[in-house]
Amino acid sequence: DAGVIQSPRHEVTEMGQEVTLRCKPISGHNSLFWYRQTMMRGLELLIYFNNNVPIDDSGMPEDRFSAKMPNASFSTLKIQPSEPRDSAVYFCASSSDFGRGRAIGNQPQHFGDGTRLSIL
Amino acid sequence: AQSVAQPEDQVNVAEGNPLTVKCTYSVSGNPYLFWYVQYPNRGLQFLLKYITGDNLVKGSYGFEAEFNKSQTSFHLKKPSALVSDSALYFCAVRDQRSNSGYALNFGKGTSLLVTP
Repeated sequence: DAGVIQSPRHEVTEMGQEVTLRCKPISGHNSLFWYRQTMMRGLELLIYFNNNVPIDDSGMPEDRFSAKMPNASFSTLKIQPSEPRDSAVYFCASSSDFGRGRAIGNQPQHFGDGTRLSIL
Repeated sequence: AQSVAQPEDQVNVAEGNPLTVKCTYSVSGNPYLFWYVQYPNRGLQFLLKYITGDNLVKGSYGFEAEFNKSQTSFHLKKPSALVSDSALYFCAVRDQRSNSGYALNFGKGTSLLVTP
């Protein structure tokens, strides 16, 4: 089975440009998570979706960040305009952790290999 | 919020020796605890979880973890370390974020170095 697929794997762009990161979760999974990893701050949850609906976006740094999940097989994380401090590795993860109308939190998350973003 | 702490930034072990990577938790109620491993330039991979039941949980690649309620710990262990076990290890705990959702709170990670 294919795992979580993220694209691009690497992105280098100049400050002020729009950046779009893409994620294809594992088929059948109904929860999707976006994380950011840096040396200084470790692994931070940015936003997560259950059944394509955003549940918690309290980790999104500011209005420059937005995430969408138009269907069960695709999600995007967009940064506009980008800044050098946004440089990090961004991970998408998915899980099948949803039952009886709510998440249970007892299933593992499956991570993609990340997008390494560098903003010059 | 539920949280975990990994007190060691780095653990060094000689190949063939037992290894322990420490994790303590702070939760209200019963914890759901997880261990993940991250190899260079890769995403996190699930190793094992504790939800309920036996305090000793067995996982992938020969790893196991012991849940200790009195010490609020969930240490990761392996009887005999391999050089290929060298990686970054994360402990995580389930955290309720809303009435309809849970997410994981991760520790800062512990770098394990196994030397030949």
